[in-house]
Amino acid sequence: DAGVTQSPTHLIKTRGQQVTLRCSPKSGHDTVSWYQQALGQGPQFIFQYYEEEERQRGNFPDRFSGHQFPNYSSELNVNALLLGDSALYLCASSIPTGDYGYTFGSGTRLTVV
Amino acid sequence: GENVEQHPSTLSVQEGDSAVIKCTYSDSASNYFPWYKQELGKRPQLIIDIRSNVGEKKDQRIAVTLNKTAKHFSLHITETQPEDSAVYFCAAMYSSASKIIFGSGTRLSIRP
Repeated sequence: DAGVTQSPTHLIKTRGQQVTLRCSPKSGHDTVSWYQQALGQGPQFIFQYYEEEERQRGNFPDRFSGHQFPNYSSELNVNALLLGDSALYLCASSIPTGDYGYTFGSGTRLTVV
Repeated sequence: GENVEQHPSTLSVQEGDSAVIKCTYSDSASNYFPWYKQELGKRPQLIIDIRSNVGEKKDQRIAVTLNKTAKHFSLHITETQPEDSAVYFCAAMYSSASKIIFGSGTRLSIRP
């Protein structure tokens, strides 16, 4: 058990729709990062949340937004879906200081048709 | 900008032989270098890591080396086994709060 829970595991959406993905971090972790992994590529950093604020952001358009709740869980929202948004979306949790240990969830496979 | 390059993209070795994957990084502030193994349809799993104050680290059949001057780091797997077949990613971070910059991955296949 990775300790990081993501839902749903699979999702099929139509181009132009909106989607929300969810992540519960490992117990004791308060920082949540989101990554997009297209088929055959390495994960790409989307953004990171700490203390309910977006602390870092990768090179992704504003269509990608997120939120972190007081219990440290997080949501990733993608608006106006494009075919190119089809990917595995990974959530990773960590603590911000002293320990480099990231724990990844199993991911949400998003298919845009 | 921040970048991690990884080679080769695919690697096929005979069972029992060694496999070597090489990476270079661009950000000289990077000080932590994890390696992940990802099996088909699964999440990346940390298999070994190295910090910038260490030149080499070994864990059973897996070893990682780091050359900070050249900004190179490598993964070595000895006595390869069928279960080593997977995609391997190198990565770099500059602090425990920073994002992970991943390489593009190496698909390792072990021939029986």
